[in-house]
Amino acid sequence: GIQVEQSPPDLILQEGANSTLRCNFSDSVNNLQWFHQNPWGQLINLFYIPSGTKQNGRLSATTVATERYSLLYISSSQTTDSGVYFCAPTDSGTYKYIFGTGTRLKVLA
Amino acid sequence: DTEVTQTPKHLVMGMTNKKSLKCEQHMGHRAMYWYKQKAKKPPELMFVYSYEKLSINESVPSRFSPECPNSSLLNLHLHALQPEDSALYLCASSQEITRQQYFGPGTRLTVT
Repeated sequence: GIQVEQSPPDLILQEGANSTLRCNFSDSVNNLQWFHQNPWGQLINLFYIPSGTKQNGRLSATTVATERYSLLYISSSQTTDSGVYFCAPTDSGTYKYIFGTGTRLKVLA
Repeated sequence: DTEVTQTPKHLVMGMTNKKSLKCEQHMGHRAMYWYKQKAKKPPELMFVYSYEKLSINESVPSRFSPECPNSSLLNLHLHALQPEDSALYLCASSQEITRQQYFGPGTRLTVT
């Protein structure tokens, strides 16, 4: 099955800083999602982005499916951005979403 | 309404108990999912229902029994669990399989 790796595994930022999170996957995918999991465990869907670029406020995402990666950009980070960010591409053979290893982000005031 | 609800929020059960987790959505979604998440790990898929039929079972032990009574409801029946089954259980729904998923807040299960 598809393998999904995210980098960096941990990231500490000062409030106001920008960051780029990366998701690499080992095989072709049909779709890809980015999620933010807050400290209470709630998973929030940030982007549904099989290809191309999307923006939502301070966040934007780019998926280049042919090169098997996706990027999540966070600009002007806030303490409420803290938590774990997961990417989840679909395995094109099984149509299952496979969650990556996650990036744990802490934003300091 | 883009909300998926789960009850209960917390559950403590003994290894001989029988309990059920409940998940509900009113977005007209036809795919529903159960995931299990251990601390500091990504969610792991357990079951997928599509149009109220079990579509995917990730070789989950039979002490976990899913049920989809109608298109809005998803249950997970638990019996004879082990302490290692303690985890956050997450429910999600999507319009169809491989479409955008919406997650509920989860049930934190502790097996004693």
